[in-house]
Amino acid sequence: EVQLVESGGGLVQPGGSLRLSCAASGFTFSNYWMSWVRQAPGKGLEWVANMNQDGSEKYYVDSVKGRFTISRDNAKNLVFLQMDSLRVEDTAVYYCASGNYFDNWGQGSLVTVSS
Amino acid sequence: QSVLTQPPSASGTPGQRVTISCSGSSSNIGDNTVSWYRQLPGTAPKLLIYSENQRPSGVPDRFSGSKSGTSASLAISGLQSEDETDYYCAAWDDSLSGWVFGGGTRLTVL
Repeated sequence: EVQLVESGGGLVQPGGSLRLSCAASGFTFSNYWMSWVRQAPGKGLEWVANMNQDGSEKYYVDSVKGRFTISRDNAKNLVFLQMDSLRVEDTAVYYCASGNYFDNWGQGSLVTVSS
Repeated sequence: QSVLTQPPSASGTPGQRVTISCSGSSSNIGDNTVSWYRQLPGTAPKLLIYSENQRPSGVPDRFSGSKSGTSASLAISGLQSEDETDYYCAAWDDSLSGWVFGGGTRLTVL
């Protein structure tokens, strides 16, 4: 069974940093694209970033370019989202998702940016 | 304002067939495949349809997708009360070099 488990969310002040992790199991992690998608409270889904199997391709939504960094550790079946210079508008539940079409999703990790 | 446009709401009665539209442009739906997701309240989204009309294993054949030009549709036949939830479309956008989602459609089963 495919499992994706996010961790690392929490409350942070504007300008601060957080690092989200997503632990994958139940599939051959190194064969799949991995993505982060977020959902602000009461709002719709917004794709944040994704990367290919070996990390040679990374893409970001414009609003996080230069502030967020996606990375992965294929040996440990982990994907990360380093979030720096956080803004109030980054407050959301962050989901990690696997596959070319967001085939499977984690349960989400809440990030709250507030003073 | 989402790049892909969905109606904010849709409705139908049990057993009825309903469709949800998703409108885009040549840089996203026109040139790339469309996928659909369903999100129950308080839970993570779930993939319903990919590559316009392909269903992952476990998704009932009541759900079907189609695409024409720069628009796509999700059809749900034999509507059930548990279908009452939020639905999202998505596609890769070549101009933005990123994925774009529709704003979501809340389906109500009357």
